[in-house]
Amino acid sequence: DQQVKQNSPSLSVQEGRISILNCDYTNSMFDYFLWYKKYPAEGPTFLISISSIKDKNEDGRFTVFLNKSAKHLSLHIVPSQPGDSAVYFCAARFGNQFYFGTGTSLTVIP
Amino acid sequence: DTAVSQTPKYLVTQMGNDKSIKCEQNLGHDTMYWYKQDSKKFLKIMFSYNNKELIINETVPNRFSPKSPDKAHLNLHINSLELGDSAVYFCASSQEGATTEAFFGQGTRLTVV
Repeated sequence: DQQVKQNSPSLSVQEGRISILNCDYTNSMFDYFLWYKKYPAEGPTFLISISSIKDKNEDGRFTVFLNKSAKHLSLHIVPSQPGDSAVYFCAARFGNQFYFGTGTSLTVIP
Repeated sequence: DTAVSQTPKYLVTQMGNDKSIKCEQNLGHDTMYWYKQDSKKFLKIMFSYNNKELIINETVPNRFSPKSPDKAHLNLHINSLELGDSAVYFCASSQEGATTEAFFGQGTRLTVV
């Protein structure tokens, strides 16, 4: 029973362009949504989050958008840089439980 | 200064053995977790534990058991290892009510041969 889904396993973007990573969820009780970035042989590191009562949160080049009616969130990275190449996990929190998607591997081409 | 640390980073062992993976956090968090990342890259919650309760994902075999000697440690014990247990195991921690995110260790790659 996968409550958080990332339907695109991979994404390639040219350096300087926008990267858009998508995520869908099923549980309307989630109160926070998070994006994590993961490099090979390392643990996931927190990138940005958004409360369920907001629809947008911005931090530098990273912006997360939340559409509660569609149960959909997205992460925008602009401009994309080669160092952004990693696997991005979408996560949702309910109480003290975090549920993760399967990740999207982003490749930023120089 | 590592916030969440796991040992060992790599573990190769034979089927049928019993092994443990250790996890320690120095963040003062009250909740710790174990996640399993399988070959399909899905990060699946196995356990969450704080001083109030242990929440077990019902799909986790009872050969897996978390042991918490104190608030800063949550070790993972695995009995009678099977080939299908091969995966990367991540420990994480969070603080209820204070932070929105969980902090992860670097992972332990377990290979059962």
